[in-house]
Formats: sequence, C-alpha cells, structure tokens
Amino acid sequence: KAGVTQTPRYLIKTRGQQVTLSCSPISGHRSVSWYQQTPGQGLQFLFEYFSETQRNKGNFPGRFSGRQFSNSRSEMNVSTLELGDSALYLCASSLEQGAEKLFFGSGTQLSVL
Amino acid sequence: AQTVTQSQPEMSVQEAETVTLSCTYDTSENNYYLFWYKQPPSRQMILVIRQEAYKQQNATENRFSVNFQKAAKSFSLKISDSQLGDTAMYFCATDSGAGSYQLTFGKGTKLSVIP
Repeated sequence: KAGVTQTPRYLIKTRGQQVTLSCSPISGHRSVSWYQQTPGQGLQFLFEYFSETQRNKGNFPGRFSGRQFSNSRSEMNVSTLELGDSALYLCASSLEQGAEKLFFGSGTQLSVL
Repeated sequence: AQTVTQSQPEMSVQEAETVTLSCTYDTSENNYYLFWYKQPPSRQMILVIRQEAYKQQNATENRFSVNFQKAAKSFSLKISDSQLGDTAMYFCATDSGAGSYQLTFGKGTKLSVIP
C-alpha cells in the first residue's frame, strides 16, 4: 500500500508569488491534515479536511488556504508569499475521523527568496 | 489550549544503551491521546508509540516504552538497546481531546546514537 505522497519535494519561490502544494493520502483515507514546520515555531497545525469539508483550521492568515477533492487528494495554497513562509509543509492522512493515528508524508520544502 | 514541552533539545546515547526523553504537557481535556513521533533525515514523521490518557498501563512497542504520569502531566519515552537507526528528531505530541483533528507538538529532542 502506497504511503502519503507529497509533491513537489522541493520548491523555490520569490516573495509575492503564490504556490500550490499537493498531497495524495493513503488509499481509503478520507481525512487529510496539513502542518507547517519551521526551526523557530516548530510544528504547527494548518487545517484538516474530511470528505471535502474543512473541519478545523489553525491560527494562520487567510493567505493560507486548502481544499480536498472527491478522491481525497488535497492541495494547499499560499498566496502573496513572505520570507517567513519558508518551511517544511507536512501532510498527514488518517483512516479514522480523529488525530489518533496519522500517517505523514515526507513533506514539501518551500524556500521563499 | 494544549501545550507540550520538551526540555532536552539534544541528547546522545551509546549504541545498545538505554535513553529516556522527557515530555510534559498541559491540557484541560479528560480524554486525550499522547504520542511520540520520530523524524529521521528523510523528514517523514513516523509514529513511534501512543498512549490513551484513560489507560493507566504504560504503552510499549518493542524497544520503545513510555512512562505516563497523568497527575504530573508527564510522558517520557524510553528507548532500550539503542540502535544507529534511532538517530532522529523525536517529537512529543497530544491531540485536543476525543474526536480532535489536530496535534500539538513539542519543539523536539535531537537524539544521536553513537557507535
């Protein structure tokens, strides 16, 4: 069974641009969560989707958005990139409806220049 | 809001020895989960062990075990017979209660296993 797949692995953007990251969950998983990891702030929850509905959102500005498709694949978008958005973005999927057992991908490393 | 504190930024252990990583947390929930995740250089977060707060028995997974002290809000991870492959960042985390959809993580402990 394939794991959680995130694309691309690495991304370089400049300030002001926008970016879209993709996450394909484990087959059969309907919940997808996104986390931002930075050296300063650590791991922070961005949002969670279940059956195409956003159920929970972390404390991030509106520039961060996401969506989930009918096949459970998810994308997150960051508009008007800032230097501080440079981070590892991790996606996790879950079979259950809670966070009791998350399976993480290897992340997308975003660098904003 | 939940908080998770890992007071040891870095630790090292000799191969085959035992090491304990510390974690304290704060939550107002009665029913919650606690987790230890491992993040090797590949960056993928891997679940090492989890503990349900209402279970008094400490969880164990092969060489990994926890010491869960609910009243003290302490959740330490013991790694026995340390192996080179255990070298990684270790994160302690908790969810926000039953049915919660998010995890709150500590800042992590960098563990190095020395041959």
